[in-house]
Amino acid sequence: AQTVTQSQPEMSVQEAETVTLSCTYDTSENNYYLFWYKQPPSRQMILVIRQEAYKQQNATENRFSVNFQKAAKSFSLKISDSQLGDTAMYFCAFMNNNAGNMLTFGGGTRLMVKP
Amino acid sequence: ETGVTQTPRHLVMGMTNKKSLKCEQHLGHNAMYWYKQSAKKPLELMFVYNFKEQTENNSVPSRFSPECPNSSHLFLHLHTLQPEDSALYLCASSQEAGDPYNEQFFGPGTRLTVL
Repeated sequence: AQTVTQSQPEMSVQEAETVTLSCTYDTSENNYYLFWYKQPPSRQMILVIRQEAYKQQNATENRFSVNFQKAAKSFSLKISDSQLGDTAMYFCAFMNNNAGNMLTFGGGTRLMVKP
Repeated sequence: ETGVTQTPRHLVMGMTNKKSLKCEQHLGHNAMYWYKQSAKKPLELMFVYNFKEQTENNSVPSRFSPECPNSSHLFLHLHTLQPEDSALYLCASSQEAGDPYNEQFFGPGTRLTVL
């Protein structure tokens, strides 16, 4: 079974600064996908970024980028130029290539962006 | 209405009550999911329906009974619940289950309190 661990329950960052959220996972699979989801206070969860395990290049979506270290089973999310609207719960998630689109989530990190 | 909607947004019920949660997606998707989000546990997948057929039951107690009459609607029927079932219940949909490139779109959730 896969497990996903987010070791930072809460973090804060000043507006316009950069913050990195940590995520580690455990799997014996070689083909899989990793995701970061954002859940703002209004509670509707949205996908932030996706990384394929077979790709060495780190995924980037505007101000969001990941540092994917496959050997270390680490998948951190970097948010650059933090904005007040980035305040949310952030969930790291794992999907096995053969799991039928089943996501395994970490416990989440609550990020507060301060003005 | 657009995206994924859920009703009611809040529900308080006694342990002997019977109630139902409703989810509707307006995205033309064929897969729908129920997740449970508890305060102290990671988001847990409960059920998956793909083209109206249940493809995943993640060892959910029988007091939770899902129903998927068509690809646009998903229900979760609740009866004789326990206080530990109090949680945020999230519905999601995707184009089709089994493809990691089919992003899951989430609803806002129903906050359930069992007294």
